[in-house]
Amino acid sequence: QAVVTQEPSLTVSPGGTVTLTCGSSTGTVTSGHYPYWFQQKPGQVPKTLIFDTSNKLSWTPARFSGSLLGGKAALTLSGAQPDDEADYYCFLSYSGVMIFGGGTKLTVL
Amino acid sequence: QVQLQESGPGLVKPSQTLSLTCTVSGGSLSSGNYFCGWVRQPAGKGLEWIGRIHTGGGATYNPSLITRVTISVDTSKNQFSLKLSSVTAADTAVYYCATWPPGYWGQGTLVTVSS
Repeated sequence: QAVVTQEPSLTVSPGGTVTLTCGSSTGTVTSGHYPYWFQQKPGQVPKTLIFDTSNKLSWTPARFSGSLLGGKAALTLSGAQPDDEADYYCFLSYSGVMIFGGGTKLTVL
Repeated sequence: QVQLQESGPGLVKPSQTLSLTCTVSGGSLSSGNYFCGWVRQPAGKGLEWIGRIHTGGGATYNPSLITRVTISVDTSKNQFSLKLSSVTAADTAVYYCATWPPGYWGQGTLVTVSS
């Protein structure tokens, strides 16, 4: 079974830019993996930020964007705010079997 | 706005079957091209995908759970369901239902496996 990898933790300064990545043990992540990104704050329900690589939902702040970068899926946060401090999870599809990454704990400090 | 709500027992005995239902409002499962699925999260841990079913039928499951899990959909009731058999304490978690795309989630329900 494939393993999806994320940075365990990242720190960004308020107003700064940070990129979270989502890699696959099977090789390059493509649009065919239909990458999703979720944000989860303590005690809250996960919230979908990005689906199918780069599509945003109506509630996704404009400062978040999704892409493919260097063989991985990427979530870029431009202009970080204290409210963005959370756990971020990606998941990838492998012929219909979805696998979550271990999550990235993002600190805004 | 699409809303999802999980329902089912919060306590299940070891070796029994966990059964949850997700009721969808604000949208019709019969009119869209969606995947309906389940995700769980043990306390203090990450998210684990359990499985999904397409509104037109056809399910895929987490290989580590495939022998114990069944997901079904009833578009006439706008509901989908999860059954997980032979549960142990390791199955204790918050269980979320969700639909993709684009990614609507239920509020989650804590299921504890204990005698």
